Amino acid sequence: QVQLVESGGRVVQPGRSLRLSCAVSGFIFSNNGMHWIRQAPGKGLEWVAVIWHDGSKEYYGESVKGRFTISRDNSKNTLHLQMNSLRAEDTAVYYCAKDRGLLWFEKWGQGTLVTVSS
Amino acid sequence: NFMLTQPHSVSESPGKTVTISCTRSSGSIATNYVQWYQQRPGSVPTPVIYEDSQRPSGVPDRFSGSIDYSSNSASLTISRLKSEDEADYYCQSYDSSNLWVFGGGTKLTVL
Repeated sequence: QVQLVESGGRVVQPGRSLRLSCAVSGFIFSNNGMHWIRQAPGKGLEWVAVIWHDGSKEYYGESVKGRFTISRDNSKNTLHLQMNSLRAEDTAVYYCAKDRGLLWFEKWGQGTLVTVSS
Repeated sequence: NFMLTQPHSVSESPGKTVTISCTRSSGSIATNYVQWYQQRPGSVPTPVIYEDSQRPSGVPDRFSGSIDYSSNSASLTISRLKSEDEADYYCQSYDSSNLWVFGGGTKLTVL
């Protein structure tokens, strides 16, 4: 079955960088767009970034534009999120999600917690 | 830019029907499909409605979605409420400028 497993979340100081990964299985990864979505503690969902199935296009939410970079390795069925210049407000659980039709999020991973704190 | 506005919370008794609204602030609700996600406490969000009114495989037919063009809103209706339906519900849509947008979420309490 479809599985998405995030990793890389930890406590990091403000201004530092962190790279998240999402290992996927159970579907043809190279055929699907992929997203990162985050949820701050006790808050709602916020879309972060998307990458096209072939990596040809990327789009970002306003709050992370210029600081975060989404990428993928279709040979390894892995999605990444490079997060630079981290801020306290980036503290959240980060989910990777399988795109459906470039419209919605068909399947979500379990999430990985990123805490930005000194 | 547009926002999706949901009530902060709703409550209803088991066996009853509840409706959660999602109002688009600007532009037509008909412009792009609306989806709904359920997030039970401590769990991952899962889709319960996609493309306004379609149910993913495995979602019971107690869940239904609709669009009201007059109020520029989408609605999620859950009938024959069960205690397991107690969760946060988020609407979501897409726009070529805003890209993917979520509503603020509605906490459903089954009394």
